[in-house]
Amino acid sequence: DAGVIQSPRHEVTEMGQEVTLRCKPISGHDYLFWYRQTMMRGLELLIYFNNNVPIDDSGMPEDRFSAKMPNASFSTLKIQPSEPRDSAVYFCASSSVSSTGGYTFGSGTRLTVV
Amino acid sequence: DQQVKQNSPSLSVQEGRISILNCDYTNSMFDYFLWYKKYPAEGPTFLISISSIKDKNEDGRFTVFLNKSAKHLSLHIVPSQPGDSAVYFCAASGSSTDKLIFGTGTRLQVFP
Repeated sequence: DAGVIQSPRHEVTEMGQEVTLRCKPISGHDYLFWYRQTMMRGLELLIYFNNNVPIDDSGMPEDRFSAKMPNASFSTLKIQPSEPRDSAVYFCASSSVSSTGGYTFGSGTRLTVV
Repeated sequence: DQQVKQNSPSLSVQEGRISILNCDYTNSMFDYFLWYKKYPAEGPTFLISISSIKDKNEDGRFTVFLNKSAKHLSLHIVPSQPGDSAVYFCAASGSSTDKLIFGTGTRLQVFP
């Protein structure tokens, strides 16, 4: 298995532009999580899905952020419009009930908003 | 408000010695705890876990201790190796299938 795949690895965009981050979870995993890593707050949970349904989006910072999971093999996190304070590393992770080792994380997308 | 806290942002240890990373939590409903290790430009990877019914779990050079009354857990690495140099995240959840709440991380540097 290729693991959790995120794209792009790096994204540099101008303030006000729309940004879309993509994630392909591990096949068979029914949970998908989006986290954001910053120095001040560590790894923050933004939203998670179970069987493609959003379960908890209380971590989404504001209405500029949205996430979708149209099918079991794909999810997107969109920021519109982007702001410099959104600059961070965004991680996607997946898991299943039978996972004994917690979550499997992707390599992350480093977002820079200038 | 941080429910999971790692108060030491960094730790430097000599190779061969013990590394002790600490983590505190505030939510008494947490009953499953994990440690993740993260290298630069990679995602965090699972290291070791412990459930609240135990106070110790060991896996090779890594041991996690849980003190529920103090709401404190620690990760011991013995002996420390240069390859252990990474950022270590503590995480907690209400069960093994609940969402994980992570701390801010501790950067461990093991020097020769």
